Amino acid sequence: NAGVMQNPRHLVRRRGQEARLRCSPMKGHSHVYWYRQLPEEGLKFMVYLQKENIIDESGMPKERFSAEFPKEGPSILRIQQVVRGDSAAYFCASSPSGTGVMNTEAFFGQGTRLTVV
Amino acid sequence: RKEVEQDPGPFNVPEGATVAFNCTYSNSASQSFFWYRQDCRKEPKLLMSVYSSGNEDGRFTAQLNRASQYISLLIRDSKLSDSATYLCVVTPYNTDKLIFGTGTRLQVFP
Repeated sequence: NAGVMQNPRHLVRRRGQEARLRCSPMKGHSHVYWYRQLPEEGLKFMVYLQKENIIDESGMPKERFSAEFPKEGPSILRIQQVVRGDSAAYFCASSPSGTGVMNTEAFFGQGTRLTVV
Repeated sequence: RKEVEQDPGPFNVPEGATVAFNCTYSNSASQSFFWYRQDCRKEPKLLMSVYSSGNEDGRFTAQLNRASQYISLLIRDSKLSDSATYLCVVTPYNTDKLIFGTGTRLQVFP
């Protein structure tokens, strides 16, 4: 049973380009979360999705960032017109039910390290 | 005030030592509590859930004090492989977010 798969592992973009980060949840998991970790900081919640639905996007910046989890295929985190401040590790996690259910574990992917030059 | 606060450390301890980490959280309605471990440039991995009655898993013991909004992790007989950052994680009531502390770094030396 493969774990949470993220790709690419490393992504370099020039300022103004678009970044697309992909996440395939663990088999049987329909709940996906995106977190961002800036250097020397903790993980910050960005967005929570179930298939075809955004459940909670309270952690997403208002502009340039979007996320989707289509019926078929991986979840995508899209960052348009990247800036240097977007450089970070982006982690995807999945769970069999929402982590709001008592003590439900979230399994994390290895992350995508985005560098904006 | 941060939602989850931890002493960043680092804690430098010799092999075999006992070390304790503390964490406080601000939302009294929080419902789930965890300790995750994160190795350098790796993803977080669940170490253990934390229950109100306290729980133990081998050399690791976690405690929760809801009245004081305080969580602890005790590691006995430290191993070199325990060197990592330990993340205190809380799920507020009625949300599906995991709120992470910034982590406490542990370095175990020979």
